[in-house]
Amino acid sequence: KNQVEQSPQSLIILEGKNCTLQCNYTVSPFSNLRWYKQDTGRGPVSLTIMTFSENTKSNGRYTATLDADTKQSSLHITASQLSDSASYICVVSADNYGQNFVFGPGTRLSVLP
Amino acid sequence: EPEVTQTPSHQVTQMGQEVILRCVPISNHLYFYWYRQILGQKVEFLVSFYNNEISEKSEIFDDQFSVERPDGSNFTLKIRSTKLEDSAMYFCASSEVFSQETQYFGPGTRLLVL
Repeated sequence: KNQVEQSPQSLIILEGKNCTLQCNYTVSPFSNLRWYKQDTGRGPVSLTIMTFSENTKSNGRYTATLDADTKQSSLHITASQLSDSASYICVVSADNYGQNFVFGPGTRLSVLP
Repeated sequence: EPEVTQTPSHQVTQMGQEVILRCVPISNHLYFYWYRQILGQKVEFLVSFYNNEISEKSEIFDDQFSVERPDGSNFTLKIRSTKLEDSAMYFCASSEVFSQETQYFGPGTRLLVL
């Protein structure tokens, strides 16, 4: 069964600190992997998209990595800000056309002053 | 900056009633999507739509659901006979050209079925 797992379930860090969120997937075939940020009660906002051939992609203070061999991805947040408090969701496209999306449960990040 | 809009923001309906959720995708986008998120659970893919037809749909998207692009701007999700378990936040999204491009999500419609 196609699944996406994320860890930790929740994380609390102090403003200015770095953190890394993990994503493991058992999705085949693989098209691409996305990281989204979702504020409470809002729609997800895309952070990065990576295809099979990409192993790292950055978007400002967000850097995603992908190891397609081990089926793992990570999202690293540098110099966290209070506004980074949100859920971070890993999504894997489960077919060659990239339109069958499997969502992870998300990691709830809280950044404290 | 262009954005995806959705109406209504909240909808309360009685079980068995039909509901139509509306979305206005970003104007030059060609791929459209519906997702749902039951309270406290993960986002689930429902359907993708391109060139006036369904491209892909999940197991959730059964005969109770239908999508339509009735004109050049709106994209709708219809639930024919709502069930209690249809209560969720429904998100519309769109992408510019190809499905592997960035998807832009709307703010969602909170549906409550009583």
